[in-house]
Amino acid sequence: AQSVTQLDSQVPVFEEAPVELRCNYSSSVSVYLFWYVQYPNQGLQLLLKYLSGSTLVKGINGFEAEFNKSQTSFHLRKPSVHISDTAEYFCAVSGRGSRGSNYKLTFGKGTLLTVNP
Amino acid sequence: KAGVTQTPRYLIKTRGQQVTLSCSPISGHRSVSWYQQTPGQGLQFLFEYFSETQRNKGNFPGRFSGRQFSNSRSEMNVSTLELGDSALYLCASSMTEGQPQHFGDGTRLSIL
Repeated sequence: AQSVTQLDSQVPVFEEAPVELRCNYSSSVSVYLFWYVQYPNQGLQLLLKYLSGSTLVKGINGFEAEFNKSQTSFHLRKPSVHISDTAEYFCAVSGRGSRGSNYKLTFGKGTLLTVNP
Repeated sequence: KAGVTQTPRYLIKTRGQQVTLSCSPISGHRSVSWYQQTPGQGLQFLFEYFSETQRNKGNFPGRFSGRQFSNSRSEMNVSTLELGDSALYLCASSMTEGQPQHFGDGTRLSIL
């Protein structure tokens, strides 16, 4: 079974400071990784995804993430945050098991990013 | 381009009733997946449909079922509702299986 651990449930930062939201996952034969953002009373919005290729993935709103296979991590970073980045962020993994079972998306518990002025 | 549309946005039911939720994907998207979001359990995968076939199913009881129509619209049905079914139900669509890209704003279901 696959799993995702978001190490911090809450991350408070000041505006214009850098931020890193941490995500670790359990390994699988092949792995797709995602970061989503959820604003209050809304659905999720895809920030970025890793499917294959370059381990540094750039997404929307200035976010980027790095896939590290040896550490089974996919941390999300932004060099300078804005008040409008305040939201909940979810890391997710989708994989195909060794027996060829179909893709199944598993989410982390989420990290609430609060950007203070 | 219209986004993913979920109806209704809010729903109040009582225990024992059944409910049907609807999801209209982005035009051209053949994959629709459903998720349950609660404060205690977080986001949990319910099932995914691709070209009218259920491709995968999460660990939910048989009271939770779904289907996808030829126009890719999907419905989710929950029978014999329990208090614990109170949640935000989200659907997502994409062109590719296993990579949910666009989410709707969800249906908030409250069980009294």
